[in-house]
Amino acid sequence: DTAVSQTPKYLVTQMGNDKSIKCEQNLGHDTMYWYKQDSKKFLKIMFSYNNKELIINETVPNRFSPKSPDKAHLNLHINSLELGDSAVYFCASSQDLDSGEQETQYFGPGTRLLVL
Amino acid sequence: QKEVEQNSGPLSVPEGAIASLNCTYSDRGSQSFFWYRQYSGKSPELIMSIYSNGDKEDGRFTAQLNKASQYVSLLIRDSQPSDSATYLCAVVRDMAKTSYDKVIFGPGTSLSVIP
Repeated sequence: DTAVSQTPKYLVTQMGNDKSIKCEQNLGHDTMYWYKQDSKKFLKIMFSYNNKELIINETVPNRFSPKSPDKAHLNLHINSLELGDSAVYFCASSQDLDSGEQETQYFGPGTRLLVL
Repeated sequence: QKEVEQNSGPLSVPEGAIASLNCTYSDRGSQSFFWYRQYSGKSPELIMSIYSNGDKEDGRFTAQLNKASQYVSLLIRDSQPSDSATYLCAVVRDMAKTSYDKVIFGPGTSLSVIP
């Protein structure tokens, strides 16, 4: 069984559209994350949730809105998509976020977003 | 200064050689350090974690941590072509005024092992 899953795997859309990416983890972890990896492969954290509570919100345009209906799910909605949003978006989870080994990140397969 | 820095590479080593990957970090209070491997088109996966000064060995991989000098390294012995990937250093930084930490990734080093 897949530990961290994301849908869709590929997303091609026009500028100005609104889209959502879904993420689910079946590891029983308390913390989930969204990362953006640009064309230079730099992996940057966008958001982090712990037990459905937003704990990290980096400098991300407010067109990006995460939502965690429960601790096993963290979705990402993007409004008014722009060319610069094209990237690979990774969802990840960790057991916790305040002690050592429990901070090991388990990544989903990624969603490749292309904005035309 | 970036919070976590790595040589971007590409680093090329012949098969069977030792590959040495380095990472420096700026926050002296960082406590947890991780090395992830990312194959092209795939997601990052954990190779090693290290929390105290010194060496930690796991098979062909050895992580080294020196908190005084604020660097962490990864050595890959007997490098194989299958080790060709991007290696990401991750440092966990204590967030002030919260009980949570923040994971910060370096830009990654691309390793190519030549048969």
